[in-house]
Amino acid sequence: SQTIHQWPATLVQPVGSPLSLECTVEGTSNPNLYWYRQAAGRGLQLLFYSVGIGQISSEVPQNLSASRPQDRQFILSSKKLLLSDSGFYLCAWSGWGSEAFFGQGTRLTVV
Amino acid sequence: DQQVKQNSPSLSVQEGRISILNCDYTNSMFDYFLWYKKYPAEGPTFLISISSIKDKNEDGRFTVFLNKSAKHLSLHIVPSQPGDSAVYFCAASEKAAGNKLTFGGGTRVLVKP
Repeated sequence: SQTIHQWPATLVQPVGSPLSLECTVEGTSNPNLYWYRQAAGRGLQLLFYSVGIGQISSEVPQNLSASRPQDRQFILSSKKLLLSDSGFYLCAWSGWGSEAFFGQGTRLTVV
Repeated sequence: DQQVKQNSPSLSVQEGRISILNCDYTNSMFDYFLWYKKYPAEGPTFLISISSIKDKNEDGRFTVFLNKSAKHLSLHIVPSQPGDSAVYFCAASEKAAGNKLTFGGGTRVLVKP
């Protein structure tokens, strides 16, 4: 069966520090991969999606970037965090169907 | 431009009664619609979906209705149980756009025992 792992679960980082969140998927090949963010009290906003290794599409302009160095690995990064980057970050994958399956999320607090 | 909207931020219902959650969309190119359930500090879990070629899909206590002409879908939960208390998100996707999900803002459901 397919599983998705996302870490860390919580993270507190100072303004201006770098960020690296990692997500891996097991049990499937060539998944579509997604990074979403949920700001406090709001819905889920798509940040990046990838249909293959090295293929990244950005949905909104922002201080973040994404990379897919391996088929089942998706990384969310920032060189310098802003206060507005605080939120709940979710990695997700989808296969042939339209359902996306989510990781447990990372609560990022920028202080 | 919010393409998927859930106009009710919260809903309170008595245990055993029906919960009805509503969702509206504006993009007529959406061809697949989904409902997710989310607990605090966890990722959303998939509940039920419906293709645009159907108007109803049922799975146990959950039924999703789609009205394409009104660009409206709803989720019925019956009977509601205390464990159903969570935030529910509707989402829509367009196959031609890579099946990316566009989410509504969520509805917080509280089921009172």
